[in-house]
Amino acid sequence: DTAVSQTPKYLVTQMGNDKSIKCEQNLGHDTMYWYKQDSKKFLKIMFSYNNKELIINETVPNRFSPKSPDKAHLNLHINSLELGDSAVYFCASSQWDPAHPYNSPLHFGNGTRLTVT
Amino acid sequence: EDKVVQSPLSLVVHEGDTVTLNCSYEVTNFRSLLWYKQEKKAPTFLFMLTSSGIEKKSGRLSSILDKKELFSILNITATQTGDSAVYLCAVRRGGADGLTFGKGTHLIIQP
Repeated sequence: DTAVSQTPKYLVTQMGNDKSIKCEQNLGHDTMYWYKQDSKKFLKIMFSYNNKELIINETVPNRFSPKSPDKAHLNLHINSLELGDSAVYFCASSQWDPAHPYNSPLHFGNGTRLTVT
Repeated sequence: EDKVVQSPLSLVVHEGDTVTLNCSYEVTNFRSLLWYKQEKKAPTFLFMLTSSGIEKKSGRLSSILDKKELFSILNITATQTGDSAVYLCAVRRGGADGLTFGKGTHLIIQP
């Protein structure tokens, strides 16, 4: 059973196109994230959603728009793709515990490798 | 701005050696520090540390946190080729969810 699953695994597209990446988690977690990992393997948070509400929106171009139809899904839509968007995008999830806030590890999906040509 | 610095950035050792990976951090309202192992795909969770001086152990891996000096170490004893990976350190702060990652240590274990 895959806990956090992303589709597609690979995405090759041309500049200017619009594309989406889907993420689903079956862990029952209430918080989901999108991270971007660049060619130097540096992981940087993009968005965090808790119970379908946006919590964190780091300095990300507004061409990137996350959408959370329910607690188990967080999709990422990217408009007008640019060369610099090429990276691996990871979805992750965690469970917020009021008794132990910030003490829940994140579980990551296997990533989507986006190549913009 | 939160900062997580890992060292060394890369390390090549022989099977059976012991390695120590370092992670120092500067973060406001620190809550926890996490270690992940990343091979080809998803980072997989290793440890979460919230208190100073308490060692966490899992098999040949162990980790400890020093909240006064703001660093953590990850030790791997009797290394095996399967330990080859990028080891990521991340911190979590209060008031905002999500993790701030370091750039990772690329560990290569040679047979």
